[in-house]
Amino acid sequence: NAGVTQTPKFQVLKTGQSMTLQCAQDMNHNSMYWYRQDPGMGLRLIYYSASEGTTDKGEVPNGYNVSRLNKREFSLRLESAAPSQTSVYFCASSSTGGIQPQHFGDGTRLSIL
Amino acid sequence: QQQVKQSPQSLIVQKGGIPIINCAYENTAFDYFPWYQQFPGKGPALLIAIRPDVSEKKEGRFTISFNKSAKQFSLHIMDSQPGDSATYFCAARNSGGSNYKLTFGKGTLLTVNP
Repeated sequence: NAGVTQTPKFQVLKTGQSMTLQCAQDMNHNSMYWYRQDPGMGLRLIYYSASEGTTDKGEVPNGYNVSRLNKREFSLRLESAAPSQTSVYFCASSSTGGIQPQHFGDGTRLSIL
Repeated sequence: QQQVKQSPQSLIVQKGGIPIINCAYENTAFDYFPWYQQFPGKGPALLIAIRPDVSEKKEGRFTISFNKSAKQFSLHIMDSQPGDSATYFCAARNSGGSNYKLTFGKGTLLTVNP
């Protein structure tokens, strides 16, 4: 029972490089989320997908794009990485009617030099 | 603008003690208040949640107290154990906004000494 799986777990990029963070859940949840966590800042919502085929901006969407590939998978793309995007990124999911993220992955630790 | 203020930033208690973590808010449109527990190197986990029409909710050793008039809510951990050492986040949902957007507090690092 994997829950929410994120890949990679760690990544170092150079400024200007692009990359995609992958997320998959095996709980048949409709809603998926991407958060970033910075020291002393709590969690901030980047994008979310209420259901397959829909995506919406969260609190801090600039510099990111997302794709809800299917019900299981929700990816986050950094087109041109900047040092300000150094953070820990968490993917989460919730069931139909769930009004909060219920299950989080273990995060991707991203450093941008 | 921080809409949910969480305190203290860190807290150290002895085993068996009752740590209390407080959160305060200004936006009266908030209508749902979950708490999350996060261990080092792991993602947060939903711990317990409360709606403002209830003044207290208990789940095992965890209790949320809610004071609607004061716009404050708190997490109490009864008979705390070293395994409760983690970072705790409060959050709030705006009923006038998206169903999926939560505002988080900045977190409290709890250490329970043996």
